[in-house]
Amino acid sequence: SAVISQKPSRDICQRGTSLTIQCQVDSQVTMMFWYRQQPGQSLTLIATANQGSEATYESGFVIDKFPISRPNLTFSTLTVSNMSPEDSSIYLCSARLGNTEAFFGQGTRLTVV
Amino acid sequence: RKEVEQDPGPFNVPEGATVAFNCTYSNSASQSFFWYRQDCRKEPKLLMSVYSSGNEDGRFTAQLNRASQYISLLIRDSKLSDSATYLCVVNMLDDYKLSFGAGTTVTVRA
Repeated sequence: SAVISQKPSRDICQRGTSLTIQCQVDSQVTMMFWYRQQPGQSLTLIATANQGSEATYESGFVIDKFPISRPNLTFSTLTVSNMSPEDSSIYLCSARLGNTEAFFGQGTRLTVV
Repeated sequence: RKEVEQDPGPFNVPEGATVAFNCTYSNSASQSFFWYRQDCRKEPKLLMSVYSSGNEDGRFTAQLNRASQYISLLIRDSKLSDSATYLCVVNMLDDYKLSFGAGTTVTVRA
């Protein structure tokens, strides 16, 4: 299994600013992912964080808006850039050990005002 | 068509009752299946993996029907603590990305 620490757990930000969310895994993992979850809805994959190379983004998400870093096999960051109220959501970091189940961080509850 | 579809519920059941619900998936090449539990304002946590032969974990039973492309979850002897949203999660063999259903909400009342 893997334990994931994600921070911050919540933040209230001004529109036009950026927020960087950090995700630390207690062991080396194959895959790391970033999701967004709107209230009452399921998880939407933003991107796959690739170690040592550019992240792979899903349709509707772009690097300029959601830059992602993954410098090693245990750490990743997601930045939400030039925020607007529409970016208010819960952002979740996830990791997988191969083709096994996914583990999640505690989530970051973002409110943009 | 969504990759993974679930009955959103809510399923409101009394303590001790049995509740069951399904999830359908669109991609016949899907290979791994999971049920996750998500409590309000918390992250999803693995409840159980779903195996081809079906599997049981205490009061929880999961079944997979590949022919009809659905999986099911049955909860026996419901407890108040079973109140949560249950997410159906599907994975294709050659793709590490997981597809999530929208969740089925279960509320167990005293």
